[in-house]
Amino acid sequence: ELKVEQNPLFLSMQEGKNYTIYCNYSTTSDRLYWYRQDPGKSLESLFVLLSNGAVKQEGRLMASLDTKARLSTLHITAAVHDLSATYFCAVDMWYIPTFGRGTSLIVHP
Amino acid sequence: NAGVTQTPKFRVLKTGQSMTLLCAQDMNHEYMYWYRQDPGMGLRLIHYSVGEGTTAKGEVPDGYNVSRLKKQNFLLGLESAAPSQTSVYFCASRRERGTDTQYFGPGTRLTVL
Repeated sequence: ELKVEQNPLFLSMQEGKNYTIYCNYSTTSDRLYWYRQDPGKSLESLFVLLSNGAVKQEGRLMASLDTKARLSTLHITAAVHDLSATYFCAVDMWYIPTFGRGTSLIVHP
Repeated sequence: NAGVTQTPKFRVLKTGQSMTLLCAQDMNHEYMYWYRQDPGMGLRLIHYSVGEGTTAKGEVPDGYNVSRLKKQNFLLGLESAAPSQTSVYFCASRRERGTDTQYFGPGTRLTVL
């Protein structure tokens, strides 16, 4: 059974600071996804990571994948209030994704 | 191009009532999924489909049934609703396994009294 663990589950940051969200998973997979969910809204795709060493960046967010360590990171650079949301990672086993519990991020002025 | 749509957006049921949630996608995607989201639990897979006429159980299938008679539609049924089924339900679709992200519908907020 594939297990996906995110940490931290809650993160309160000041604007301008950097931080990293971690996503660990229990079995071999080379397909990992990051999503963002705003309060009361649906999930929006952020990144698709399809191979070991993959790195994707958009704006202040950068995601990476280490399949040997079974670890993905979502790094936030110089956080701004607009990044406040819940972030989910999901790992594929064949065509069935398993989601982490999500990291609720609040960015304070 | 509407993407993934869900009907209804909100619903309140009494215990024992039945209902069907409709998910429709206009992207010609093969794979479709139904999830429930509860506070602090992430998304849990209820049922999924890998093509027209196929369905399979996910992590939490009890109390739900599904059908995919047409490629663009995936229906989720609750035969006899229970308060434990109070949740937000999301439908998602994807083009093919593994290489494509999932596209999510806007969600259905269901309350069972």
